Amino acid sequence: GAVVSQHPSWVICKSGTSVKIECRSLDFQATTMFWYRQFPKQSLMLMATSNEGSKATYEQGVEKDKFLINHASLTLSTLTVTSAHPEDSSFYICSAKTSGRATDTQYFGPGTRLTVL
Amino acid sequence: GQNIDQPTEMTATEGAIVQINCTYQTSGFNGLFWYQQHAGEAPTFLSYNVLDGLEEKGRFSSFLSRSKGYSYLLLKELQMKDSASYLCAVMDSNYQLIWGAGTKLIIKP
Repeated sequence: GAVVSQHPSWVICKSGTSVKIECRSLDFQATTMFWYRQFPKQSLMLMATSNEGSKATYEQGVEKDKFLINHASLTLSTLTVTSAHPEDSSFYICSAKTSGRATDTQYFGPGTRLTVL
Repeated sequence: GQNIDQPTEMTATEGAIVQINCTYQTSGFNGLFWYQQHAGEAPTFLSYNVLDGLEEKGRFSSFLSRSKGYSYLLLKELQMKDSASYLCAVMDSNYQLIWGAGTKLIIKP
């Protein structure tokens, strides 16, 4: 089946530092990857849609200069949280689609729990 | 606006059957997804319905009625490992997934 990995699983950092999270599709090529954020007991919130070789599309209210997304290859997308602050502490999850069809299932990575002190 | 409604929490007994409902109001419809999410983990895909009717997959079944804007996820022969949140998501006319807040299912022995 379609496997998506994320690294790291956990990260604790000091306020003001930057954190990079990697999302990889292990056994398929993902033309589109998605980045979500989930706060405790809340639903997934889409942050941005990332297409290989082009700029990411950010959802309203998400600062593109703070959450930098790079989708340089068909198997790798990265999310960099720049100058992280405690309010950025959350569960960050990526997902990928197995093909370009819009209705294809999204397969999720295991998530990255970010804690900013 | 777009809206997905599902119960916040449900409790059921091991070995029993439970039905988790989801109603939606979205701008367009390109299918409805159910995902399972264990605490602290990412969601895993369970089912996709785009046509009316019942789709059965092992112990899990998913039903869709597009005219009523309604779906349910049916879990049979409940096991303790089924304790999780179940997320309903609808793909709208822009092929964006609109997510419900999830239903936390508690299984008791």
